[in-house]
Amino acid sequence: AQSVTQPDIHITVSEGASLELRCNYSYGATPYLFWYVQSPGQGLQLLLKYFSGDTLVQGIKGFEAEFKRSQSSFNLRKPSVHWSDAAEYFCAVGPANTGNQFYFGTGTSLTVIP
Amino acid sequence: GAVVSQHPSRVICKSGTSVKIECRSLDFQATTMFWYRQFPKKSLMLMATSNEGSKATYEQGVEKDKFLINHASLTLSTLTVTSAHPEDSSFYICSARDRLAGVNGEQYFGPGTRLTVT
Repeated sequence: AQSVTQPDIHITVSEGASLELRCNYSYGATPYLFWYVQSPGQGLQLLLKYFSGDTLVQGIKGFEAEFKRSQSSFNLRKPSVHWSDAAEYFCAVGPANTGNQFYFGTGTSLTVIP
Repeated sequence: GAVVSQHPSRVICKSGTSVKIECRSLDFQATTMFWYRQFPKKSLMLMATSNEGSKATYEQGVEKDKFLINHASLTLSTLTVTSAHPEDSSFYICSARDRLAGVNGEQYFGPGTRLTVT
């Protein structure tokens, strides 16, 4: 069965500190993986996606993620967090045709303290 | 970039009434749109897949007679919550895929609609 697990419900980091958000997935085929960010009361914005090739993918706003097939993980990282990064982050897995159903994790809420 | 809008952004209705939520792709055509529901502190749960010109495909456990979906054109899908009850209060988000983008086409998400049923 397809599923996405984000083990950390809430994370607090200091501004300027590094960040890593964890994501593990279970998927029956080759996964296409995504990270989205959601600000309060807003929709989802795509940060980055992995389809194939280089397992380290770069996204917007200075985020990157690394696909590790052996660990079924796709963790999101940022070297230096800004206060504006405070938001809810969702990991998602989907089929090759991204026009089809996504499976979302439960999200990780990020708080950034001065 | 591609933009998906939703209207209204917030709606409050009385129990027993129906509410229609619109999802529009503003600068692209979408053969397929998706409707998600998000509970507080919870993930997005796919409710149904809306296909232009045909019936929507509902996920297991979603009442198709309660959540009516119409995808009448390549730029508009509507979700009507019929006979709404307080437990239907939620954040509803739609997404759309550009039909010209091919199999790896990105899904674009709308800003969501906050429904409160009193």
